[in-house]
Amino acid sequence: TQLLEQSPQFLSIQEGENLTVYCNSSSVFSSLQWYRQEPGEGPVLLVTVVTGGEVKKLKRLTFQFGDARKDSSLHITAAQPGDTGLYLCAGFSMEYGNKLVFGAGTILRVKS
Amino acid sequence: EAGVTQFPSHSVIEKGQTVTLRCDPISGHDNLYWYRRVMGKEIKFLLHFVKESKQDESGMPNNRFLAERTGGTYSTLKVQPAELEDSGVYFCASSQGRVPIFEQFFGPGTRLTVL
Repeated sequence: TQLLEQSPQFLSIQEGENLTVYCNSSSVFSSLQWYRQEPGEGPVLLVTVVTGGEVKKLKRLTFQFGDARKDSSLHITAAQPGDTGLYLCAGFSMEYGNKLVFGAGTILRVKS
Repeated sequence: EAGVTQFPSHSVIEKGQTVTLRCDPISGHDNLYWYRRVMGKEIKFLLHFVKESKQDESGMPNNRFLAERTGGTYSTLKVQPAELEDSGVYFCASSQGRVPIFEQFFGPGTRLTVL
């Protein structure tokens, strides 16, 4: 059983389309992070959200933390081929000893 | 400034052999973490060092795994003897202070294949 369920597992879209990736849990998280990982490299932090209902924007990426702090979403507007990669959600929860727990990831492919 | 480096990038060994992975954190980062991703599953925490002390090693799979950080600089993760299920990508990360207040920076990983 995964502590953070990420969906979809794989997404292939055309350049210019919008997309949303979801990260859900039955547990409360004190903070949620989103990472992007490219082949042969380690995950790179995109954003950290800490307050229920918080929304953060990073250019065409919008991150939201659920009101109950059990879920998060990543929305990309007008996707570009450079957005292609593996997106990971991860979070800290007292229930899991405050260690960083990861979702399995969403592989995004943006075709030109 | 150099990022987190890991050596080797790939390692292929036979079941029963010993392998040692090395991680060099960003200079000045007291916190060092090891993670592992096995095929098809999520990245999982292995352990956390603060300087040379093991702060949390609750994620270590079993006593075939030994992590050290002598002198509080680089760290090694030894697997002895290696088993098939140890195959995966081992990531190291470092941070200046406690996460998530401080960002964790990940290395490129070591891909371990046990045959």
